[in-house]
Amino acid sequence: DTGVSQNPRHKITKRGQNVTFRCDPISEHNRLYWYRQTLGQGPEFLTYFQNEAQLEKSRLLSDRFSAERPKGSFSTLEIQRTEQGDSAMYLCASSFGTSGSDEQFFGPGTRLTVL
Amino acid sequence: DAKTTQPTSMDCAEGRAANLPCNHSTISGNEYVYWYRQIHSQGPQYIIHGLKNNETNEMASLIITEDRKSSTLILPHATLRDTAVYYCIVRRRQGAQKLVFGQGTRLTINP
Repeated sequence: DTGVSQNPRHKITKRGQNVTFRCDPISEHNRLYWYRQTLGQGPEFLTYFQNEAQLEKSRLLSDRFSAERPKGSFSTLEIQRTEQGDSAMYLCASSFGTSGSDEQFFGPGTRLTVL
Repeated sequence: DAKTTQPTSMDCAEGRAANLPCNHSTISGNEYVYWYRQIHSQGPQYIIHGLKNNETNEMASLIITEDRKSSTLILPHATLRDTAVYYCIVRRRQGAQKLVFGQGTRLTINP
């Protein structure tokens, strides 16, 4: 399967714990996006990387959230001191940025439940 | 990015054409109309996009009005697997652009 993969698919944690999610983009894609989706809502943008550089962050990304993309390949999203409001689906997408095309391909998501 | 307005939900009979409308009256000249869909418990899936001409691919057709203020996504022969939330998104195509999702239209295909 050459699509975007995300691990784990589900994560249950207790309030106050730290969690880390991983996203493996399509291999030749240089752009990587993170989105968050709560129940009944459309996905909301969190942050974006071009290669290893994090170029944009939403104000939704509080200081408890950090994302990295070392070497411009896979990416990790860490949430420190989780809160119940962090419960959501975390989606990763990648794209091959050229002069005109930036269709984003999404992974299956990681569903986080904070108890 | 321009805001879009879509009906909250729609129903369609299996085998019939599903026509999903989208209003984007504030769209600007360099903005494209994109459609994604999200099947339950999966990530969004790209369907099609267009600027001003009608577009067709293996999944769907996109009809954009001449004034570009609205568009319609057409699934020509809907199947049960087309049941999903469909998102109409307006964005500039050039460069990296985050997708701004609205509430979308929940399309239910009935047998």
